[in-house]
Amino acid sequence: DAKTTQPNSMESNEEEPVHLPCNHSTISGTDYIHWYRQLPSQGPEYVIHGLTSNVNNRMASLAIAEDRKSSTLILHRATLRDAAVYYCILRISNFGNEKLTFGTGTRLTIIP
Amino acid sequence: GAGVSQSPSNKVTEKGKDVELRCDPISGHTALYWYRQSLGQGLEFLIYFQGNSAPDKSGLPSDRFSAERTGGSVSTLTIQRTQQEDSAVYLCASSLGRGLSNQPQHFGDGTRLSIL
Repeated sequence: DAKTTQPNSMESNEEEPVHLPCNHSTISGTDYIHWYRQLPSQGPEYVIHGLTSNVNNRMASLAIAEDRKSSTLILHRATLRDAAVYYCILRISNFGNEKLTFGTGTRLTIIP
Repeated sequence: GAGVSQSPSNKVTEKGKDVELRCDPISGHTALYWYRQSLGQGLEFLIYFQGNSAPDKSGLPSDRFSAERTGGSVSTLTIQRTQQEDSAVYLCASSLGRGLSNQPQHFGDGTRLSIL
């Protein structure tokens, strides 16, 4: 499976935008980029995914580099509830086992 | 609507005992996954069910671990002769399933298993 690299931790001030980077230099043409987050004492929660174009939803935006070797999850206005571990995951689009392979993620701390 | 439900939320048992963990997926979801998360670690895939197909058991760490999914809905993960290294949070996820590329997985809040 193609690997992703994320910073271990980041901090951001409340009510400011947060940009969470992810490198995936060995991504293949069929890999989708997914983001999940895990709040304390909860299971992971789907955030967003994309293939080539930037994506927006109610939770976040995903900016994908033109060469697809990196991406950035953007939280437009961080709240305390956004403090979590954020995982960037590559998923192959096929008909096999679509298990998620989690790395260590980025622990985001929000400063009030 | 109802999300993925797991029970019990916490389980403490003695080494050597058998345990059963239950997962109720979201209604209509044909794909079901079990993962585990040891303290301070990432999630580790255990087993995958899709419809009536044979499950993918490639992530099960030993033959003490087994899982069933009855009627394409509820799943039970069984650990026999538990060991202390089995202590972890066991997470279940479901999704709309195969053929629908990149459907997000919806997770329960897990069962925290502690082996004394």
